[in-house]
Amino acid sequence: AQSVTQLGSHVSVSEGALVLLRCNYSSSVPPYLFWYVQYPNQGLQLLLKYTSAATLVKGINGFEAEFKKSETSFHLTKPSAHMSDAAEYFCAVSFSGGYNKLIFGAGTRLAVHP
Amino acid sequence: EAGVAQSPRYKIIEKRQSVAFWCNPISGHATLYWYQQILGQGPKLLIQFQNNGVVDDSQLPKDRFSAERLKGVDSTLKIQPAKLEDSAVYLCASSSTRTVSYEQYFGPGTRLTVT
Repeated sequence: AQSVTQLGSHVSVSEGALVLLRCNYSSSVPPYLFWYVQYPNQGLQLLLKYTSAATLVKGINGFEAEFKKSETSFHLTKPSAHMSDAAEYFCAVSFSGGYNKLIFGAGTRLAVHP
Repeated sequence: EAGVAQSPRYKIIEKRQSVAFWCNPISGHATLYWYQQILGQGPKLLIQFQNNGVVDDSQLPKDRFSAERLKGVDSTLKIQPAKLEDSAVYLCASSSTRTVSYEQYFGPGTRLTVT
């Protein structure tokens, strides 16, 4: 069965500091992996996705993530945090043949302070 | 391209009342999803449609929840009767079968409060 674990429900960083949000997945078949961001009172917006091409994936707003099969991880990073990055971030997994149902992690709330 | 539309954005009802949510997916997207997002949790799939047909409703509480997708476009999700634990944000998403990963696009959601 597929599952997603996000380590740390809350992460706080200073403006300009590195952002690292952790995601580990479990899947018996090659996964598709996604990071979504959710701002208050809004729906989910896709940041980036891994679909078995390059293992280092670049997304919007300066975010990137690296797929590491040996570690079953797909951590999200950004070199320099901006105040506007404060939001909830969700990691999700799906797989071909499973009607592409998304299974989400519990989310990580990112706070950015001056 | 217009995004996924949902209405209403907010709804407050008393327990045992009924409520309905509406979703209009991105034009041409064959697949439509309804998710329930309880405060502090990730979204959970309730039901998935492929055109008019249901392909996954394994986590839909069928004794009180129902959904339909008429003509393979718009969809409605209904709760009758509502319980306190149904308080959540209900997200609609759609995807095209033309992409390998079936990337999903989400609407703004409907926040339901059951008192």
